[in-house]
Amino acid sequence: DVKVTQSSRYLVKRTGEKVFLECVQDMDHENMFWYRQDPGLGLRLIYFSYDVKMKEKGDIPEGYSVSREKKERFSLILESASTNQTSMYLCASSLNPIVYEQYFGPGTRLTVT
Amino acid sequence: DQQVKQNSPSLSVQEGRISILNCDYTNSMFDYFLWYKKYPAEGPTFLISISSIKDKNEDGRFTVFLNKSAKHLSLHIVPSQPGDSAVYFCAASVRNRDDKIIFGKGTRLHILP
Repeated sequence: DVKVTQSSRYLVKRTGEKVFLECVQDMDHENMFWYRQDPGLGLRLIYFSYDVKMKEKGDIPEGYSVSREKKERFSLILESASTNQTSMYLCASSLNPIVYEQYFGPGTRLTVT
Repeated sequence: DQQVKQNSPSLSVQEGRISILNCDYTNSMFDYFLWYKKYPAEGPTFLISISSIKDKNEDGRFTVFLNKSAKHLSLHIVPSQPGDSAVYFCAASVRNRDDKIIFGKGTRLHILP
């Protein structure tokens, strides 16, 4: 069974703080993804990575950066958190190119006050 | 521009009856379609997929139908059970170009007792 874990289920941060969200997968998947989910907006892709040290912008990268130093770990960084980044953040991974389904972690509910 | 559209934000169905969730897409390059199910405070879980070379795929109570000429797909759940109450996301991708999946905004399904 694929397991994708995220470092925190709930997080509360103040405006202007630097925030790190960590994601780890244990199935040797090449691809990893960060999404945010907001009511009425569905899942929106922030960044993704095909391999170690590689990253690609998704649909809403502004205000975020990512880091992938090891294959199993993909970090999302909010350089200076703002209230409009309050959201549910979901990490996912997939095995390229055979399996196209993405496997998701449980999510991190981030509140920025 | 929304490439994957789920026009019904919510749907209520009596337990034991058929649930039909609909999805439309605009990009004719999409060749792989997926449905995900999401419970509150959990990550989405993969439910069923279909390749564009097929028009139907069945897995137990779940069947996905694809109408390429209409750019429409639907998920049928029969019979509906209380545990099917969740948000369902339709998603699509272009395989072998990149591994991004484009998600719809989701439909919340309520199974009524």
